[in-house]
Amino acid sequence: DAGVIQSPRHEVTEMGQEVTLRCKPISGHDYLFWYRQTMMRGLELLIYFNNNVPIDDSGMPEDRFSAKMPNASFSTLKIQPSEPRDSAVYFCASSSPSGSLHTQYFGPGTRLTVL
Amino acid sequence: QKEVEQDPGPLSVPEGAIVSLNCTYSNSAFQYFMWYRQYSRKGPELLMYTYSSGNKEDGRFTAQVDKSSKYISLFIRDSQPSDSATYLCAMSRSGGSNYKLTFGKGTLLTVNP
Repeated sequence: DAGVIQSPRHEVTEMGQEVTLRCKPISGHDYLFWYRQTMMRGLELLIYFNNNVPIDDSGMPEDRFSAKMPNASFSTLKIQPSEPRDSAVYFCASSSPSGSLHTQYFGPGTRLTVL
Repeated sequence: QKEVEQDPGPLSVPEGAIVSLNCTYSNSAFQYFMWYRQYSRKGPELLMYTYSSGNKEDGRFTAQVDKSSKYISLFIRDSQPSDSATYLCAMSRSGGSNYKLTFGKGTLLTVNP
């Protein structure tokens, strides 16, 4: 399996622009997670889905952030409008309850810089 | 007080040393305890996980959980340069929200040849 796939790997944008991050989970995994990692705050869970349905979005920082999972093989995280404080590495992860309960497989991340 | 505290280091040791990494936590509802390893510019990968208190060993790695003290540890024996990475502890509750992980900030480890 190719693992969790994220695109783009790097994104540089200007404040106020819309940013869309994409994720393809491992085939057969029914849980998908979006995380954000910064030096100051570490790795934080933003939102997670089960069977394409959002289960917990309490980590989404504000209304500028939204996430969707239209089907089992694709999810997006959108920031509109973007701000410099959104600069971070965004990770997508997936897992399956048929495996080790807490094994989350992370993608390589998208490094976002907002100027 | 943050739910999970982890000393960010950095920690630098010679090859072959025994490494001890630790986290403390405040939420007594945490039942599952994990250690993830993250190489530079990569995503984290699960290294070990334990349920409730006790020890678990896997090769050169040993994870310990002391729920009475709300303290978890990861020991690395005979450390190798390839162990150089950031180590993140993670925890979750049991029950319906047991897929929601709370991470420490990570400890950066360098093993020098």
